[in-house]
Amino acid sequence: DGGITQSPKYLFRKEGQNVTLSCEQNLNHDAMYWYRQDPGQGLRLIYYSQIVNDFQKGDIAEGYSVSREKKESFPLTVTSAQKNPTAFYLCASSILPYYEQYFGPGTRLTVT
Amino acid sequence: EDKVVQSPLSLVVHEGDTVTLNCSYEVTNFRSLLWYKQEKKAPTFLFMLTSSGIEKKSGRLSSILDKKELFSILNITATQTGDSAVYLCAVCGVMNRDDKIIFGKGTRLHILP
Repeated sequence: DGGITQSPKYLFRKEGQNVTLSCEQNLNHDAMYWYRQDPGQGLRLIYYSQIVNDFQKGDIAEGYSVSREKKESFPLTVTSAQKNPTAFYLCASSILPYYEQYFGPGTRLTVT
Repeated sequence: EDKVVQSPLSLVVHEGDTVTLNCSYEVTNFRSLLWYKQEKKAPTFLFMLTSSGIEKKSGRLSSILDKKELFSILNITATQTGDSAVYLCAVCGVMNRDDKIIFGKGTRLHILP
């Protein structure tokens, strides 16, 4: 089955620790994205990548880092520099940047 | 400044009613406008619009884009309780050769039985 997966579903971390969220797709999509969603808010773009070994900052990249070493994988690291990391994180992919995006199930991160 | 504004922010109607959700935008070098439905977790794709005046339809849902007035509407006729969700509008543009994607805050639709 083609799709996009994220793991884990729920993640709990102590303040000051870095944490990496996984995102994998087998849709053969070139473009991949990371979004953050806070209660009552739309999606805000953290980082996106249009091709392997290349990525661009979105609107709220501070405190986050990504890598794109393989087409299928786009992990997001939430660093200790991110001031309000508790949120719902969604990964997505698309054939082309302005086409429909397919979303993973999301990871809910709680930092205490 | 690029932005996407959805209205209303929330809407409660009775089953069988027709609803119209609005999305207005200001984006540099517009490429496409997309509608998504978000029920609990991941948004699911509804429509992609690139040309003005051409209605896209899927069952009871339809959508149209006006590139002159910079807005789109999403219509849902004969609503059902399963239509209860947050409906997200996203607009894609190009700035400095980089693709830019902006989501609106969404319209939370609740259908009463």
